[in-house]
Amino acid sequence: AQSVTQLGSHVSVSEGALVLLRCNYSSSVPPYLFWYVQYPNQGLQLLLKYTSAATLVKGINGFEAEFKKSETSFHLTKPSAHMSDAAEYFCAVWKAAGNKLTFGGGTRVLVKP
Amino acid sequence: NAGVTQTPKFQVLKTGQSMTLQCAQDMNHNSMYWYRQDPGMGLRLIYYSASEGTTDKGEVPNGYNVSRLNKREFSLRLESAAPSQTSVYFCASSESTVPGGYTFGSGTRLTVV
Repeated sequence: AQSVTQLGSHVSVSEGALVLLRCNYSSSVPPYLFWYVQYPNQGLQLLLKYTSAATLVKGINGFEAEFKKSETSFHLTKPSAHMSDAAEYFCAVWKAAGNKLTFGGGTRVLVKP
Repeated sequence: NAGVTQTPKFQVLKTGQSMTLQCAQDMNHNSMYWYRQDPGMGLRLIYYSASEGTTDKGEVPNGYNVSRLNKREFSLRLESAAPSQTSVYFCASSESTVPGGYTFGSGTRLTVV
């Protein structure tokens, strides 16, 4: 079965510091992987996706993620945190049957001034 | 603005009451989904409809029913609400040819007392 695990339910970073959110996946086939962001009291928005093209994927708002097959990881990074990055972030894996996404538990990011 | 519209945004029910959560999308998407979001558990799939006329159970279907009324609308019904169904419910839609490219509604916050 395909699944994703996010390490750390909460991450606190200083404004201007590196943001690193960890996601590991389990999949018996090459996965399609996604990062979504949820701002307070809103639905989820797509940040970026990996679909077996380039292993380094760039998304919106300066975020990027690198697919590493050897580590079964798809970690999300941003070089310099901004106050507006405070949100909850979800990693997800896609399953073709039913066009379904399975989400990780989420990581809430707090940005300190 | 095009997107996914959920109603109501907030609801308080007494144990045993019934209600229907409504969802409509105007993007001509084939697939629609209902998720529930609980702290630390990410989003869990309740039911989905891969295409008009079909519905299937997801990860946590017990206590819920769905209706794909037409291509635009996908409703979620709680026949006899229980406190364990207190959650935030999200509807999403997707074009089946675009892996994982979900558009989410803004959610319904349901409290069962």
